[in-house]
Amino acid sequence: AQSVAQPEDQVNVAEGNPLTVKCTYSVSGNPYLFWYVQYPNRGLQFLLKYITGDNLVKGSYGFEAEFNKSQTSFHLKKPSALVSDSALYFCAVRDMGSNTGKLIFGQGTTLQVKP
Amino acid sequence: DTGVSQNPRHKITKRGQNVTFRCDPISEHNRLYWYRQTLGQGPEFLTYFQNEAQLEKSRLLSDRFSAERPKGSFSTLEIQRTEQGDSAMYLCASSSSNRLAGAYEQYFGPGTRLTVT
Repeated sequence: AQSVAQPEDQVNVAEGNPLTVKCTYSVSGNPYLFWYVQYPNRGLQFLLKYITGDNLVKGSYGFEAEFNKSQTSFHLKKPSALVSDSALYFCAVRDMGSNTGKLIFGQGTTLQVKP
Repeated sequence: DTGVSQNPRHKITKRGQNVTFRCDPISEHNRLYWYRQTLGQGPEFLTYFQNEAQLEKSRLLSDRFSAERPKGSFSTLEIQRTEQGDSAMYLCASSSSNRLAGAYEQYFGPGTRLTVT
């Protein structure tokens, strides 16, 4: 079965420090991978995606993610965290067993950036 | 581009009542998805429309749930005889099938939070 795992329920980082939010996946074939952010009582906001090409993808608000096929990982990174980055982050993979484009989400990681 | 909108934002209902939610996707998007998100979990797929055709339904979608997308524009999700286990955030998302227009990412609405008492 295809799945996404986010091994950390919460990540704490000091403002100005680099941050990493981890994601691993299990799919058949080449994965289409996504990161979304959710602020309280809001919908999900698209950050970035990996479909093909360069393993390092850049997205919104200074975020980037590195696709690592051998480790089946797609970790989200930012060189310098802001307090305003504090939110709930979801990694997702496209269900390759369906031609609908539906997404399979991880359980989410809460990022807490302290001043 | 006004984004995906959903109404109502919040709904409180008593067990056994019927509720209906509406989603207005981004106007040029032909793909529309409904997801359900419970506290502490990621969204789970419920159903998918391409234009007006409902092409896939999750096993999560019991026979008390029905969704429509008449004319391929807005969509409605109805829950009949609500149960306390239906309490969740219901999210709508849309995307384009045009690869040049970003066919892969989905754009989400703010969600409708349902509380069944």
